[in-house]
Amino acid sequence: DQQVKQNSPSLSVQEGRISILNCDYTNSMFDYFLWYKKYPAEGPTFLISISSIKDKNEDGRFTVFLNKSAKHLSLHIVPSQPGDSAVYFCAASAQGGSEKLVFGKGTKLTVNP
Amino acid sequence: DVKVTQSSRYLVKRTGEKVFLECVQDMDHENMFWYRQDPGLGLRLIYFSYDVKMKEKGDIPEGYSVSREKKERFSLILESASTNQTSMYLCASSPSRGRAFFGQGTRLTVV
Repeated sequence: DQQVKQNSPSLSVQEGRISILNCDYTNSMFDYFLWYKKYPAEGPTFLISISSIKDKNEDGRFTVFLNKSAKHLSLHIVPSQPGDSAVYFCAASAQGGSEKLVFGKGTKLTVNP
Repeated sequence: DVKVTQSSRYLVKRTGEKVFLECVQDMDHENMFWYRQDPGLGLRLIYFSYDVKMKEKGDIPEGYSVSREKKERFSLILESASTNQTSMYLCASSPSRGRAFFGQGTRLTVV
């Protein structure tokens, strides 16, 4: 059963507008969440993370929001740029014991000029 | 900068061969991971190691084994390669409770 879900396989936005990528999780033990960006034929690169003690974390154009009661997080990219076109993965890990990172299936973002 | 190096970018192997994928990290991280990425399936964890000689199965360990004899090196072994193991393999390392750093990936084709 998927513990981390990204229900939108793809998203298309115009350059300069906001991109919102969503992620839901089912495991209430998850307390650390990350977003990764991946270009074809490359390894994923870290974008931003958030711990469960916060509900928002911001880094430049990227902001992650966490809603623990809804078990939902989202990544906002403002303004979107063509270079942001990539696959975005949401990941989570649980406190205590194993520190395995569990990933969602990814959302392919296309930013049109 | 953290560097995670995978031994090959591209590999072509025959069905039934024993295949070794090597991964080295240079930041003294405790944790190392092997994932595979397939279209529509995202990143699936094969094996995870949290210390030398320590390992834990991920979601899809069947047909794979791993070895971690030194802290910096984590090897993935395909005991008898099959065509359904054709995939992109990604190695990662992380400090305890920290973000993971990924290698460039190995595109393995089994023919």
